[in-house]
Amino acid sequence: GQNIDQPTEMTATEGAIVQINCTYQTSGFNGLFWYQQHAGEAPTFLSYNVLDGLEEKGRFSSFLSRSKGYSYLLLKELQMKDSASYLCAVLDSNYQLIWGAGTKLIIKP
Amino acid sequence: DAGITQSPRYKITETGRQVTLMCHQTWSHSYMFWYRQDLGHGLRLIYYSAAADITDKGEVPDGYVVSRSKTENFPLTLESATRSQTSVYFCASSLEVAGGNEQFFGPGTRLTVL
Repeated sequence: GQNIDQPTEMTATEGAIVQINCTYQTSGFNGLFWYQQHAGEAPTFLSYNVLDGLEEKGRFSSFLSRSKGYSYLLLKELQMKDSASYLCAVLDSNYQLIWGAGTKLIIKP
Repeated sequence: DAGITQSPRYKITETGRQVTLMCHQTWSHSYMFWYRQDLGHGLRLIYYSAAADITDKGEVPDGYVVSRSKTENFPLTLESATRSQTSVYFCASSLEVAGGNEQFFGPGTRLTVL
């Protein structure tokens, strides 16, 4: 079966750096997405990786290792507004997104 | 305003009733999707559509029906609602599914089946 694992919850301090990991086992791979979802709201796109390596976008970076079935989302200079759930999703061989259950990130002052 | 909208935003219904959730997008995106989101689960695909009059099942299609007579609309019908269909339903759209095209999500419909 297809499986995406990410930690259920993480806590970090305002101004710090946090890394959210995602491991996957899917039938085929056509890219990996990270989305942010604030409580009670819709998911919004953060990043996309299809090749190995690091993609940087302001305070957010996303890394992919296809051989290890592994990705992480790195958030720097954490702000209170970064408190949200972060969803990892893999585009499988049928071009359908398979979603992880999400990591709830709690930011403390 | 351009975007993707869903209605109603909240719905309470009873077991056995038929319910239709509406989704409308103004971008002329080819692809549209219906997901449900439950605590402890990732988003799960119910149905998707690649174009008008083309629909296909996702991971959890049982108990749901979709149609897409116009590109901009993609309604989801629960033919006979069950308590297990209590969930938050998200509609999404994208230009394409390949090449890193992101999916844009509507605000969601919170459905409670009593």
